[in-house]
Parts: sequence; C-alpha cells; structure tokens
Amino acid sequence: DIQMTQSPSSLSASVGDRVTITCRASQTISNYLNWYQQKPGKPPKFLIYAASNLQSGVPSRFSGSRSGTDFTLTISTLQPEDFATYYCQQSYSTPLTFGGGTKVEIK
Amino acid sequence: EVQLVESGGDLVQPGGSLRLSCAASGFTFSTYWMNWVRQAPGKGLEWVANINEDGGERDSVDSVKGRFTISRDNAKNSLYLQMDSLRADDTAVYYCARRGVFTTCYAGYCHYYYYMDVWGEGTTVTVSS
Repeated sequence: DIQMTQSPSSLSASVGDRVTITCRASQTISNYLNWYQQKPGKPPKFLIYAASNLQSGVPSRFSGSRSGTDFTLTISTLQPEDFATYYCQQSYSTPLTFGGGTKVEIK
Repeated sequence: EVQLVESGGDLVQPGGSLRLSCAASGFTFSTYWMNWVRQAPGKGLEWVANINEDGGERDSVDSVKGRFTISRDNAKNSLYLQMDSLRADDTAVYYCARRGVFTTCYAGYCHYYYYMDVWGEGTTVTVSS
C-alpha cells in the first residue's frame, strides 16, 4: 500500500499569512494526488486534482505543486474560512490512501 | 443540484450487520464510479470500497474484505454498503463519494486522474455492546 505522510499535523496561522502543507508519498505516484478541505462536522470538499489543478469554484489563493514524491498545498493569503483540516489523497493505485491530515488553526 | 444522501447508520453490536444506502440525484448516476469513505471519531479519512458504473468491478481495503460488500442499483440511483461481522473499529461516519476523472492525452497515450468530487453528509455507524 502507498503511505501518504502529511506535515505538519497542525499549524497555527493568522489571517493573511501564507500557509504551506506538505504531503510525501512512500513511492512514486506521478501527479496522481488530490487535496481536500474538511471543516468540523462536514464532509470533505474537493480542492485540487492531478497535483496542481484547481477544481472549479476553488479560490485562486489555493495552489498545489509537486517535486518528486513530495507534494505541497499552498494558501497564499489565509482567509477566515480557510481554517480547517486538509487531506492529501493518492489515486495512483488501490487501496486509495489519504494523508493523516493537517489542521490549520487560528493563531 | 448534484447531491448524495446517505442513510442506514445505527448502533449495532459487535458481530452484527448493517446496510448503508446512498441516494444520488442531479447527475447521471449510472455513468460514474462510486466510493465509500469512512472517518472514525477524531481520526482521518479512510477509503473503504469502490464500484464501477455497472457494478461489474469492485475493490475494497483489506480490512473490510470478506465482511463488507459494495453494490449499486442504477435503476434506483442508489449505492449500498452491506456490512457484516462488524467490529468496534468499524465505528465511523461513512461517506459516499462520486468519482470524477480528468483525462489528458498526448502522443496517443492518455492519463486518467481520478478524484472524489461530490460527497454526501455521511451516516454514523457505531459498533458497541
């Protein structure tokens, strides 16, 4: 199974900050990497596919990138509605696997 | 409006069974792969199973193989998860999710990037005596 390791597991940030979340795959997954946002008590919301492509309707302050087996989700200017938990997920092979999540909290 | 609505979650004793349902609306259900994903209390997301458009292809995570069965009824626009031999560690919110695809082709070769683009609100399964 492909393991997805996210870091950090949590972070504190202020509105207006630039936030970066990293996800590392245990083996090569090419660009088969998705990002989701989840708020408490709600289902995940799909943000990014194929490592760097924004889903329709997702604000442009969100971006994704890849370097080898390392993937990054960046929020350029953190907004109040962005405080949530973020998950990466590989779609390279089954079982599909998610990272452990990164909780973005208010500083 | 594209929508998925799960139902069937309940409190069940260890070793018991439960059948979850997911009703789809607002899109052509029969043309999409579908997934079940679960989230234990305070934990992360775990993919459980998926099924292709006509139900002929299915896959699941090892921890549920032989106990859970995914199925669908395209005439009823519904997805199901039959859960048998339930254990305490099956306690979770269960989400159904639609599989979307992004396709890129170059020099006659295509890449298919799959994702879960529509999610239901979830249904809660608690396994406890």
